[in-house]
Order: sequence, then structure tokens, then C-alpha cells
Amino acid sequence: DQQVKQNSPSLSVQEGRISILNCDYTNSMFDYFLWYKKYPAEGPTFLISISSIKDKNEDGRFTVFLNKSAKHLSLHIVPSQPGDSAVYFCAASAGFNKFYFGSGTKLNVKP
Amino acid sequence: DVKVTQSSRYLVKRTGEKVFLECVQDMDHENMFWYRQDPGLGLRLIYFSYDVKMKEKGDIPEGYSVSREKKERFSLILESASTNQTSMYLCASSSLAGGGETQYFGPGTRLLVL
Repeated sequence: DQQVKQNSPSLSVQEGRISILNCDYTNSMFDYFLWYKKYPAEGPTFLISISSIKDKNEDGRFTVFLNKSAKHLSLHIVPSQPGDSAVYFCAASAGFNKFYFGSGTKLNVKP
Repeated sequence: DVKVTQSSRYLVKRTGEKVFLECVQDMDHENMFWYRQDPGLGLRLIYFSYDVKMKEKGDIPEGYSVSREKKERFSLILESASTNQTSMYLCASSSLAGGGETQYFGPGTRLLVL
């Protein structure tokens, strides 16, 4: 059973608007969460992370929110750009050696 | 910049063949990982290693083995390839010094087993 779930396989937004990608997890021992971005024919690249002691982390246009009580995290991209079109994976860890990944959400930002 | 390279981008093999997938990283990272990516399942950990000659099973190690004879190189071996091992294989590395939280991925090897 997957411990990290991304229930939306795809998302389409207009350029300039906000993109919100969601991720749910089941393991309350997870204490570190990451988002990766993947373009076709490339490996995933690290985007942003958050530790369980925080509820928000911001890096430019990207903000990750963590709701521990709901076991939910989300990635906000504002404003969305066509170059953000990619597959986004969330990942969680209860120890730095092992990560659990979600199934990914394909974001399409329309010009 | 961290560079993780994988020996092949595309491979076609026959059922029963022994398959070697090679991964090399150039940043002296302690940790190395092998994942497979399948539609709807995301990335699943096959094996990982946190030191030379050390290995740990991930979530789906059956049908695979690994080798880490040198710090920079981590090999994934399919002892007898089967059609259900057709997948995208991703190698990653991370540093213990940095907390190990950020994994750097190679470009992936798309393997087709006929």
C-alpha cells in the first residue's frame, strides 16, 4: 500500500494563475517532505522541501504547505509559467536514507 | 553541479538475459539508490547503499541485485530479466554531510524486456 499518494494524475492551469498540487501521506513518522519536478527524458530534480517542524516553506514562486494533523502537503506555484509544465512528485522520509514517492501529478500550464 | 550518469538511456533485452545497469556519480556521495518508475505507481525503491560494499533492500528487491565496489559506482543487476521488469530505472545519490535529504537523479534508463 502506498504511503504517499497524489490523487490527481493531472492538472491544467492558465499561465499566470496559481497551480496547487496536493499530496497525502499515511505514516505519522514521516518528518521530511520534498517535491521533485521531472521533465520527459530527464531524471527528477529537487524543487523544494519542508521539515515537519514547519508548516510552510517558500522559495520564489514555489511554496510548500504542511498540515501534519491532516497528513497533507501541497505545493503552490504562483504565478504559473509554461516552463513549469512537468510531472511533480512528492516524497516523504522518516529517516534520510529512505524516501517514499507519490505517483506524480502532470502539470500543464497553458499560455 | 552534481552529476549522476547512467550507462544507457534505452535498453532492449530478451527474457532470461542477465542485465547490468550502471550508475556513476561524481560528487563523492555516500548514499546511492536505485528506483523504478511505473505509470500510476511513482518511484519505488529497489535497493540502496550508504557505503562501499553495503546494500539495503528497498521496497521491491525481488528479481534484482546490486553491487557497490567503488564509492562512485552503483550497479543494478537483473539476474534473469522478465517482461514485468520493463520499466524506467532511475539512479540517485545523496550526501550524508548534507543530511542526505536531497537526492540527485540520473536521466534514467528505459528498459524493455521482450
